[in-house]
Amino acid sequence: SAVISQKPSRDICQRGTSLTIQCQVDSQVTMMFWYRQQPGQSLTLIATANQGSEATYESGFVIDKFPISRPNLTFSTLTVSNMSPEDSSIYLCSVPGSVNTEAFFGQGTRLTVV
Amino acid sequence: GENVEQHPSTLSVQEGDSAVIKCTYSDSASNYFPWYKQELGKRPQLIIDIRSNVGEKKDQRIAVTLNKTAKHFSLHITETQPEDSAVYFCAAKRGSSASKIIFGSGTRLSIRP
Repeated sequence: SAVISQKPSRDICQRGTSLTIQCQVDSQVTMMFWYRQQPGQSLTLIATANQGSEATYESGFVIDKFPISRPNLTFSTLTVSNMSPEDSSIYLCSVPGSVNTEAFFGQGTRLTVV
Repeated sequence: GENVEQHPSTLSVQEGDSAVIKCTYSDSASNYFPWYKQELGKRPQLIIDIRSNVGEKKDQRIAVTLNKTAKHFSLHITETQPEDSAVYFCAAKRGSSASKIIFGSGTRLSIRP
């Protein structure tokens, strides 16, 4: 199973600022996924980060708000830009196992915007 | 679009009793169905999964059933214990490592002592 290190684990940020979340995997993976989990809610996919190409965003999420970098096969970042209190959530990165296996999750970043 | 519906949203059972959580999915191309348990403040962790060529799978006190025709799958926990208290998510996925996982809305399970 993949080992995923995500940081920071939590942060409290001022509205209008940006936060970059890092995700490091101990093995090379083609796809990395970024999820948002609002308080008491399920996991919603933000985007799929592909190495060497633009990230693919889900409906309701845009690159200007959630820019993603994927410089190599073991690392990705998600930036939450121009934050507002509505961005307060847990953000999780994820990588797939092999075909038809579970997703492995980072420990999550608990973001509070004040 | 792809959707996974999960019921109930909350479930409270007496310790020792059984708990059942049900999900339906819309994408007929889905062929992998994992179940995740998320304890408070922790990341989701896989507890059991089932593939479309299997109708039932059991692991100790946990079992999952799948009805592909009806697009239903269920999680069964027997002899519930306090440590089973958590939020449980069902999910569905197509058959490639690049395909995304679609999560249900979650069930908050509470075990009464």
